[in-house]
Amino acid sequence: DAGITQSPRYKITETGRQVTLMCHQTWSHSYMFWYRQDLGHGLRLIYYSAAADITDKGEVPDGYVVSRSKTENFPLTLESATRSQTSVYFCASQGQGVGDEQFFGPGTRLTVL
Amino acid sequence: RKEVEQDPGPFNVPEGATVAFNCTYSNSASQSFFWYRQDCRKEPKLLMSVYSSGNEDGRFTAQLNRASQYISLLIRDSKLSDSATYLCVVNISPMRFGAGTRLTVKP
Repeated sequence: DAGITQSPRYKITETGRQVTLMCHQTWSHSYMFWYRQDLGHGLRLIYYSAAADITDKGEVPDGYVVSRSKTENFPLTLESATRSQTSVYFCASQGQGVGDEQFFGPGTRLTVL
Repeated sequence: RKEVEQDPGPFNVPEGATVAFNCTYSNSASQSFFWYRQDCRKEPKLLMSVYSSGNEDGRFTAQLNRASQYISLLIRDSKLSDSATYLCVVNISPMRFGAGTRLTVKP
């Protein structure tokens, strides 16, 4: 199906474990983004990518790793999960035009025990 | 100073009311502007783009004042289904999202 998907939708893990959140888009959008949203708060940008093999840090990159070997995929890895990383994670994609909107995936709800 | 600032609300209004949200941004190089809507525990979705001349989409009107670096959203004849958080978004590559203004429309 066309669009942007995230997996898993829900994940419970333990402190210290490595976790990878997947994001896949079918539009061939150049830009992809990872945000986290803590309960009752706004979106915070973790990492973004302007194209395959190009990634940049956002506002809160510490503790996260990203890669983008293919245009359509942008996985986010928590190398050693901490309780403070409990959050909802949204992936988004955007075309290259200045006026292009960002499309968001449905989110992954991550709990770190 | 935050790059995009919004009144967090909450705004509690009766059905049929007119409500206005304001947003200011700090970077004069901002190129494009949007309002997004986010329902509880869901992903944000585009409500409307904001154009320099102002634009309207049904009950929703957006205005941009580049000189004052100010964006507004007016909702007329509020419906229960308008209850959500409204995010002001400014594109200075990458996009900057405001923290959102929460609206509750009551019967």
